[in-house]
Amino acid sequence: KQEVTQIPAALSVPEGENLVLNCSFTDSAIYNLQWFRQDPGKGLTSLLLIQSSQREQTSGRLNASLDKSSGRSTLYIAASQPGDSATYLCAPGAQKLVFGQGTRLTINP
Amino acid sequence: SAVISQKPSRDICQRGTSLTIQCQVDSQVTMMFWYRQQPGQSLTLIATANQGSEATYESGFVIDKFPISRPNLTFSTLTVSNMSPEDSSIYLCSVGGQGGEQYFGPGTRLTVT
Repeated sequence: KQEVTQIPAALSVPEGENLVLNCSFTDSAIYNLQWFRQDPGKGLTSLLLIQSSQREQTSGRLNASLDKSSGRSTLYIAASQPGDSATYLCAPGAQKLVFGQGTRLTINP
Repeated sequence: SAVISQKPSRDICQRGTSLTIQCQVDSQVTMMFWYRQQPGQSLTLIATANQGSEATYESGFVIDKFPISRPNLTFSTLTVSNMSPEDSSIYLCSVGGQGGEQYFGPGTRLTVT
C-alpha cells in the first residue's frame, strides 16, 4: 500500500525566499507523480506532472524533481510571493492518486 | 485540460438524511473518481466510476453508504447516505487528462449537524 509523507508539515517564510518542499513515497513502482496546490476550502489546482520516465519538470518559478529509486520528489519554489500561500500536495499514481498530508505554506509580505 | 463543475458547492444537512453530489465534465472521459477530504486531512479515494458498469470502491467504502451513478461519459453523481457528523467533509470528483494529469472539481463542502 502506497504511503506518502510530506515534510515539513507547515512552513512560514518571508517573501522572496527560495523554498524546497519534500515528498517521499513507499512504493517506487509509480507511473506519474503530480504536485497540486489547495487554497483553503477549495479544490485542487494541478501544478506539475512528472511522468515516470522524467526526472524533473518546470513551470515558471516552480521546479519539481523525481527520484523513483529513492522514493522522493521535491518541489522547488523560487522567489516566493504572498500569493504562493496555500497547501501543497504531492500525489504519486496514474489515475488513482494517493495523497500526502501536504505542506501548509505561508509567505509573509 | 478538463473543466469540472460540482453541485452543490456546499450544503448543511441533518443527521440521517442523504445528499447527492453532481459532477459534470466538459469532455467525455472513461473514468471519473470520487475523493473525500475530512477536516484537516488529506484526500482519500472513495471509488472509481466507469460508464456502463458498477463503480469500484476502495477499502473502507461501501456502495450502500456511497452509491454512485455514471449515466454517461460526462456526468456522475455520488450520494452520501444516512449521514452522520463524521461524513462532514469536502467531496471532490476528478478525471484524467490525455497527458496523464488528473484534474479536480472545486469540491462540495458538506456539513452534517
